Amino acid sequence: GAVVSQHPSRVICKSGTSVKIECRSLDFQATTMFWYRQFPKQSLMLMATSNEGSKATYEQGVEKDKFLINHASLTLSTLTVTSAHPEDSSFYICSARGGDGGLDTQYFGPGTRLTVL
Amino acid sequence: SQQGEEDPQALSIQEGENATMNCSYKTSINNLQWYRQNSGRGLVHLILIRSNEREKHSGRLRVTLDTSKKSSSLLITASRAADTASYFCATERPGANSKLTFGKGITLSVRP
Repeated sequence: GAVVSQHPSRVICKSGTSVKIECRSLDFQATTMFWYRQFPKQSLMLMATSNEGSKATYEQGVEKDKFLINHASLTLSTLTVTSAHPEDSSFYICSARGGDGGLDTQYFGPGTRLTVL
Repeated sequence: SQQGEEDPQALSIQEGENATMNCSYKTSINNLQWYRQNSGRGLVHLILIRSNEREKHSGRLRVTLDTSKKSSSLLITASRAADTASYFCATERPGANSKLTFGKGITLSVRP
């Protein structure tokens, strides 16, 4: 199996609030999870790589204090968008490495649509 | 930075026809992967081809890889309306710790 879930699927919040998004691998253990964001009709941009039990590695240009990532277990990683602003509105997708396809394959969650008013 | 570049950007075909999508990349790779994304949804992994492989099949999908030309193609045979989606190629570079770099995607429309 290789199912990855995300929660919530959609969230609307006011500017200045923080939002937490969960990513879970349901039927396999994922030592590495990835967080992406996607703007409408555009490609996925990698934000950070999350390894279980260690600090996340952020891509250039991604503010680590803005996007807090925690990977506390082999099946759960969380992304917290702190003090969200309208420009943070986007589609956030996580992926987990492993499952039936082996370590080369990333399995993606269904995504979380964040709208900041 | 953008690694994969797919072409065409948009493709519209009739149900039953074959769809061919191409992807070019710039650097050496460990593997290349193709994903499908339905509108507003997550990505579905379709197929992975390693740098030492030239062709792979999976059901109605056929993927080729030409490392000398740094290009790959995805062929969907006997297309169906349900194949309508965006398709992305993604490359994993050596030493990248499984990080994938995605292309801009191709929008495929299959007319019933």
